[in-house]
Formats: sequence, structure tokens, C-alpha cells
Amino acid sequence: DAKTTQPNSMESNEEEPVHLPCNHSTISGTDYIHWYRQLPSQGPEYVIHGLTSNVNNRMASLAIAEDRKSSTLILHRATLRDAAVYYCIFNSGNTPLVFGKGTRLSVIA
Amino acid sequence: GAVVSQHPSWVICKSGTSVKIECRSLDFQATTMFWYRQFPKQSLMLMATSNEGSKATYEQGVEKDKFLINHASLTLSTLTVTSAHPEDSSFYICSARTSGSLRYNEQFFGPGTRLTVL
Repeated sequence: DAKTTQPNSMESNEEEPVHLPCNHSTISGTDYIHWYRQLPSQGPEYVIHGLTSNVNNRMASLAIAEDRKSSTLILHRATLRDAAVYYCIFNSGNTPLVFGKGTRLSVIA
Repeated sequence: GAVVSQHPSWVICKSGTSVKIECRSLDFQATTMFWYRQFPKQSLMLMATSNEGSKATYEQGVEKDKFLINHASLTLSTLTVTSAHPEDSSFYICSARTSGSLRYNEQFFGPGTRLTVL
């Protein structure tokens, strides 16, 4: 299994930035880093992915360490709708996504 | 983005009956589909991988005779829980992936099916 390490839970105030860390020290050079999130009683939702360079999209930014052994998902302004479990996953292109325990993000109004 | 649907969204059945869950890719062809199971307060656990027209590959500890997977077309996969028992009550989530020239192939997830076995 591709193992990642994330904090069990984090808390943020609404409209403030949130930095969700992930360690993936066993990542190989061809593995992608993915972030998904899951709201209660829903399927996972794609957030962002990257390989080596930092990435930005409308939902978030992904900062990847130079050695690729860690990454940080950045939500620039947390809203109540961002409260979810965030999963950091790495895999090669053709293997299925294997989920760890993720980080439960709480957003306080 | 691509859409994956599941039907039904929830089902309640009696112990000993069989339940079929459908997973459809609505606007793309899914050469590979995955089935996950999620118990309360836990993460998703991969059950099996199926490629269209081939037998499914089950993860260790998942009974293939109990969880029958059929992936007969590029847009439909079904999971049948045979002789369901209360311990099979869970949230079942399917995921679909296309293959193509791009090296990165995103997995798209369905909304999940909640199964309750009485």
C-alpha cells in the first residue's frame, strides 16, 4: 500500500487560509500526488493533483516539496462548505487510489 | 468533469437476500471501475478492480463469491452482495477511470450507496 501520513484533524476559522500537510516519504519518481475530499455521506471529490511542480486550480493550491516527500494542500479562504475529510494519496498512473485515514477539517464560523 | 452515478442511493434489505448496486459512467467510457466500501468513521477500503470484459480482481480478504462484480460494458458495472448479512451494512462507492493517451488518468467517484441489512 502507498502510505501517507496526515494529521487526524485540523481546525480553521472561516475565511482564513488552511494548510493541510501530508508526508509521503516512500513516493517514487513517477508517482502522482492526489488530494480528494469527502463530505459526510458522499463519494470522494477530486481537489487537485500534481507531480513535481506546484499547482493551482479554482479549489485549492498544491505545494510540493522539492524532494517530493511531502506536500501541502492550501485552501486560500476556508468556508463552511470546505469542512470535510481530506485525503492525500500517491500512486502511479495505472494503480487504483488507496485511501488512508485523511484529515478531518473543521471550519468555525 | 466526468460524472459517475450509482443506483440505488440507499437500500434496506432483509438478511439472506441479495442486493445489486449499479454504477454508471454517464459521459465517458470507463475501461476500469473500482468498488470501495466504507464503514462508519473509517476510510474507504478498496474491494476490487474490474476491467471491461474481464473478471474482477479482488483485494485480499474480500470474498469474490459474496461480492459479485460484473463490468460487461464500458459504462456500467454492477456489484451484487449475495446473501447479505448485517455485517455487510456499509457505504459502497464505485469509481471509474478511462484510459487514454494521457499518463494521468483521473478516477471519478460515484455518490455512494448506503446498504442496511436488517
